[in-house]
Amino acid sequence: AQSVTQPDIHITVSEGASLELRCNYSYGATPYLFWYVQSPGQGLQLLLKYFSGDTLVQGIKGFEAEFKRSQSSFNLRKPSVHWSDAAEYFCAVGAYNQGGKLIFGQGTELSVKP
Amino acid sequence: DSGVTQTPKHLITATGQRVTLRCSPRSGDLSVYWYQQSLDQGLQFLIQYYNGEERAKGNILERFSAQQFPDLHSELNLSSLELGDSALYFCASSTRTDTQYFGPGTRLTVL
Repeated sequence: AQSVTQPDIHITVSEGASLELRCNYSYGATPYLFWYVQSPGQGLQLLLKYFSGDTLVQGIKGFEAEFKRSQSSFNLRKPSVHWSDAAEYFCAVGAYNQGGKLIFGQGTELSVKP
Repeated sequence: DSGVTQTPKHLITATGQRVTLRCSPRSGDLSVYWYQQSLDQGLQFLIQYYNGEERAKGNILERFSAQQFPDLHSELNLSSLELGDSALYFCASSTRTDTQYFGPGTRLTVL
């Protein structure tokens, strides 16, 4: 079955430190992969996406993610975290053989220490 | 601002009632998706419409229905509401079946 796993429910990092949020997926075909961010009381904002091509993709707000087919992973990274990055982050796979619905992971809540 | 609008922002109602959530997609987008976000189930796909036609169905209850109108806006109808239907309901739109852009959501509280 298609699924997305985000192993870390909650992560705390210090401001200025680097960040890596993990995402593993299970999908039969070549996946379309996404990272979204949700601030408290807000909707989902697209950070970045991978459809094909270069496996290292750049997104907004200084985020990047690397697609590793051999590991079925699409981890999100940022070299230096800002306090405003505190939010919940969702990884998703696009099930394009099923009309295009997104299958989401459970999310990782990021807290940033001053 | 994603360009997707949803109304109302908040909705408080009682068990057994019926409500309608409205979504206007981004200009030019033909696909509309509905998702439910709850603490216990996370983000779950409900249903997708493409240019007025139902394209895919997910974990949508029989008490829930949706439609997409000729002007491409969509409505999600929830009836015989139960306490467990309390959740955040998101609409997303895309051009075809690619990147989905999400609206701000409607928070439904069933008392």
